[in-house]
Amino acid sequence: AQSVAQPEDQVNVAEGNPLTVKCTYSVSGNPYLFWYVQYPNRGLQFLLKYITGDNLVKGSYGFEAEFNKSQTSFHLKKPSALVSDSALYFCAVRKGPGGYQKVTFGIGTKLQVIP
Amino acid sequence: GAGVSQSPRYKVAKRGQDVALRCDPISGHVSLFWYQQALGQGPEFLTYFQNEAQLDKSGLPSDRFFAERPEGSVSTLKIQRTQQEDSAVYLCASSPPGLDLSGANVLTFGAGSRLTVL
Repeated sequence: AQSVAQPEDQVNVAEGNPLTVKCTYSVSGNPYLFWYVQYPNRGLQFLLKYITGDNLVKGSYGFEAEFNKSQTSFHLKKPSALVSDSALYFCAVRKGPGGYQKVTFGIGTKLQVIP
Repeated sequence: GAGVSQSPRYKVAKRGQDVALRCDPISGHVSLFWYQQALGQGPEFLTYFQNEAQLDKSGLPSDRFFAERPEGSVSTLKIQRTQQEDSAVYLCASSPPGLDLSGANVLTFGAGSRLTVL
């Protein structure tokens, strides 16, 4: 069965500093990986995805993530954090490629950016 | 509409009551998903529709949970004889027509329906 682990319940970072939100996954075959963000009382919003190709993917709001197959990781990063980045971040995985596959989410990591 | 619309946003039910949660996906989106998000947890998959066909219902926790999408657009998630453990936010998501070559369509989520069972 596929799974996602987000080892940190909360990440605190000072505004302007780089941030990293960790994610490791388990899936048979090649993974498709996603990051979503959830603001209070709102649905999840897509940030970025890895399908194939370059291991470093860039997404919305200056976020990027690096796929590392050997470490089965897909950590989310941003060079300079903003207070408005404070939210709940979810990593997700599905088995790829092709056709319908169930998407499995992690339990989420709360990012707190301190002014 | 521009996004995925869910109603009601908040529902309080007494234990044993039946509830119905509605999802209006983005127009033309073929795929529709229901997820359950308990407090402090990530979304847990419930069921998947492609048009009106329910192709995967492996995540429905019991036979008290039932979902339908009769005309391939609006979907309803029904929970019969609600229990306290059913308290959660129920998220609906849709994705664009068909599947691209990668099969990795992005999900667009609604704001969710928060169910509280007393």
